[in-house]
Amino acid sequence: KQEVTQIPAALSVPEGENLVLNCSFTDSAIYNLQWFRQDPGKGLTSLLLIQSSQREQTSGRLNASLDKSSGRSTLYIAASQPGDSATYLCAVSSYNTDKLIFGTGTRLQVFP
Amino acid sequence: ETGVTQTPRHLVMGMTNKKSLKCEQHLGHNAMYWYKQSAKKPLELMFVYNFKEQTENNSVPSRFSPECPNSSHLFLHLHTLQPEDSALYLCASSQRTEGPNQPQHFGDGTRLSIL
Repeated sequence: KQEVTQIPAALSVPEGENLVLNCSFTDSAIYNLQWFRQDPGKGLTSLLLIQSSQREQTSGRLNASLDKSSGRSTLYIAASQPGDSATYLCAVSSYNTDKLIFGTGTRLQVFP
Repeated sequence: ETGVTQTPRHLVMGMTNKKSLKCEQHLGHNAMYWYKQSAKKPLELMFVYNFKEQTENNSVPSRFSPECPNSSHLFLHLHTLQPEDSALYLCASSQRTEGPNQPQHFGDGTRLSIL
């Protein structure tokens, strides 16, 4: 049974810092991995999707890497801003299924 | 605006009530999903519909009854709920293709409280 773990559970940093969020999964037979952002009282916004054949994806200040064999992904946020404050979730899917297995998220606070 | 609209945003109901949650997507997608998000638990998939057909029921109790009349609308009918069913219910949609899974787009959810 696939399990997804995210550490740390919460993170508070000053504006401008570069930071890394971690995601690990127990079954390496994944189809893809997604990183989402969730603001309080809102739904999820997809940030990056990495196919199992890819090693990383970049979007603006965000870079996500995937090491399938070791069951790990990291989300790197460069030059953090207060607007980055949110909960970040990672989720994996298996082959031939739309079922996403989510981690419990990392709650990020970036203070001015 | 995510293209996925959920109503109502908040719902308070007693355990004996019957209510429905509604989801509508304006993205032309062919797959829709219901998720449950409880405090301090991972998001849980409840149901998946592809081309209006239910393809996944993740061992959800029968007091939750989904309905997908067309590929743009998804309902979740609720009856005789329990206090532990209080949670944020999220709807999502995606374009299911024969290739790699496409990203799922989420609505803002319905916050459900059971008295």
